[in-house]
Amino acid sequence: SQTIHQWPATLVQPVGSPLSLECTVEGTSNPNLYWYRQAAGRGLQLLFYSVGIGQISSEVPQNLSASRPQDRQFILSSKKLLLSDSGFYLCAWNTAYEQYFGPGTRLTVT
Amino acid sequence: TQLLEQSPQFLSIQEGENLTVYCNSSSVFSSLQWYRQEPGEGPVLLVTVVTGGEVKKLKRLTFQFGDARKDSSLHITAAQPGDTGLYLCAVLLFSWGKLQFGAGTQVVVTP
Repeated sequence: SQTIHQWPATLVQPVGSPLSLECTVEGTSNPNLYWYRQAAGRGLQLLFYSVGIGQISSEVPQNLSASRPQDRQFILSSKKLLLSDSGFYLCAWNTAYEQYFGPGTRLTVT
Repeated sequence: TQLLEQSPQFLSIQEGENLTVYCNSSSVFSSLQWYRQEPGEGPVLLVTVVTGGEVKKLKRLTFQFGDARKDSSLHITAAQPGDTGLYLCAVLLFSWGKLQFGAGTQVVVTP
C-alpha cells in the first residue's frame, strides 16, 4: 500500500532563517506530487506540483521554492522565511481522481 | 472570487442534530469531491460525485450533486462528536490531478 511521509511534524523558525520540508512517498512510482499550504481552519492553496523528477510548476509567486531530486521525494524550501510563511504545509500525491495527503508540517515563523 | 463557495463557514451543533453544508459555483464540473480534515491531519476523501442529481450515502452522510453539476450538498443525520472536522469540497481542474478546493466548513459537534 502507498504511504506518504512528511517531516518535521512541527517547526518554529525565526524570520529570515532558511527552510527545508521533506516529503517522501512509498508504494508507488512516478507519482504526481503536490505542496499545499493551509491557513488555520481554511481551504488549501496549491503551491507547487511536479509530474516527474526535476519538473516543478509553481502556482503562485512567493518566497518558496520546490525541488524533486528523486522520483518519490519532494522538497519545499525557502532561503529566508517571512512571517506570512506560517501555516500548515501538506504534501500530496494522486491516483487518477483522488489525492492522498501526508500528515502535514505545522510551521510557525516568529 | 473563489471558484467554489462553501457555506456556512462554521457550524456548531449538539450531538444528535442534523446539519447540511453547501458547495456552490457558477461553473459546471464533470465531478466534485468532498474531503474531511481533522485537526493536525491531512484531508481524507469521503466521496466523489460525477452525475447530475446523483445522491451517495456513506453511513449517516448523504452527498448530492446538483442537477446542473454546479453545486453539491453534504447532509449529516444524527451528528456525532466524531463528525467534527473541516469539510472541504474540491473539483478536478485538469486530468493530471490539479484540485481546486473550497475554503471549507468547520463543523463542531458537542456531546
